[in-house]
Amino acid sequence: GAGVSQSPSNKVTEKGKDVELRCDPISGHTALYWYRQSLGQGLEFLIYFQGNSAPDKSGLPSDRFSAERTGGSVSTLTIQRTQQEDSAVYLCASSFSGPSGGGSYEQYFGPGTRLTVT
Amino acid sequence: AQSVTQLDSHVSVSEGTPVLLRCNYSSSYSPSLFWYVQHPNKGLQLLLKYTSAATLVKGINGFEAEFKKSETSFHLTKPSAHMSDAAEYFCVAGTNAGKSTFGDGTTLTVKP
Repeated sequence: GAGVSQSPSNKVTEKGKDVELRCDPISGHTALYWYRQSLGQGLEFLIYFQGNSAPDKSGLPSDRFSAERTGGSVSTLTIQRTQQEDSAVYLCASSFSGPSGGGSYEQYFGPGTRLTVT
Repeated sequence: AQSVTQLDSHVSVSEGTPVLLRCNYSSSYSPSLFWYVQHPNKGLQLLLKYTSAATLVKGINGFEAEFKKSETSFHLTKPSAHMSDAAEYFCVAGTNAGKSTFGDGTTLTVKP
């Protein structure tokens, strides 16, 4: 079956512009995660959606970052007024989830979007 | 609160020798534990997971990990390294309460 897909695979943008990154999770997965991975670094948690619950936004680095998940499926991560330090690979993952949350289930990762801010 | 510590940021082994990547966790809950692998310019792939069944977990590509509650450890091992094992490895703790916690990663280098 289809895995997690992300688009675009690469995005180059000028400083100050807004960008939108898209994630299509695996059908039936109710938990969706966004992470950021800077060059040579580990994964930085950004935001977590679980079913119809309010998202956990505790990892968003600033108010320039926002994300939404429409219809419990596709998610869009938006970065406004991009800065050079936003350059990174943005990874999306989805998982099944139990009654309370998705942390005990393995995450399936997309290939990522490489964002370069010039 | 939950945390994951990967004790080595870099590990280098020779091809054919054993691999040990160390991971310790701290959690108020009984966590699920995972190891993921990331090859260069690729997404993360699940190697194996522990979810309170057998404490010795076997994964793909000959990797295995042992959950030791007394030591709060979940070290990843492989008897004989292959060149294709060179990658970044992440130890992860997850709970039903919500999001997972990732370690900082260990870079495995395999020398010919």
